Amino acid sequence: DTAVSQTPKYLVTQMGNDKSIKCEQNLGHDTMYWYKQDSKKFLKIMFSYNNKELIINETVPNRFSPKSPDKAHLNLHINSLELGDSAVYFCASQDRGSNEQYFGPGTRLTVT
Amino acid sequence: AQSVAQPEDQVNVAEGNPLTVKCTYSVSGNPYLFWYVQYPNRGLQFLLKYITGDNLVKGSYGFEAEFNKSQTSFHLKKPSALVSDSALYFCAVRDITGFQKLVFGTGTRLLVSP
Repeated sequence: DTAVSQTPKYLVTQMGNDKSIKCEQNLGHDTMYWYKQDSKKFLKIMFSYNNKELIINETVPNRFSPKSPDKAHLNLHINSLELGDSAVYFCASQDRGSNEQYFGPGTRLTVT
Repeated sequence: AQSVAQPEDQVNVAEGNPLTVKCTYSVSGNPYLFWYVQYPNRGLQFLLKYITGDNLVKGSYGFEAEFNKSQTSFHLKKPSALVSDSALYFCAVRDITGFQKLVFGTGTRLLVSP
């Protein structure tokens, strides 16, 4: 069973569109994250939720809005997509008592 | 702020030879250090961590890392490299100011030649 899953795996869309990426974890973890990996493979955290509550919001444009309907899901909605949003987005989860994060397979977003 | 540096963009090693991927850290207080590996078109996988205790930490796939406080380093090592070890390796430190936030290095690509 996949521990952290993301859909879709690939997303190609045009500038100005709105899109969502979904993430689910079946590990029972309390904390979930969204990371962005750019074309140079640099990985940076965007958001973190703990038990459906936003706890980390790095300097991310307001066009990005995370939503956590329950602690097993953390979705990422992006409005008015821009070329610079093209990247691979990774979801991750972590149990509160652990220091290890488990990553999803990533969603490659291409904005044309 | 907590940070890690990976000075090498790429490391090349022949199969069967020992490998080292370098990482240095800058932290306030005691460091929580991690190594993750990313295979092509995959998410990151946890390899090992240092929280406290022995300076030599053993992890998955035969990897180990040595914590050196005086040199503020946490280099990843393996005695005998495999072609299948070829991947992107990330060092990370837990940010004490963020809620379990990890700060990643820029990554080092390891290429193991047959």
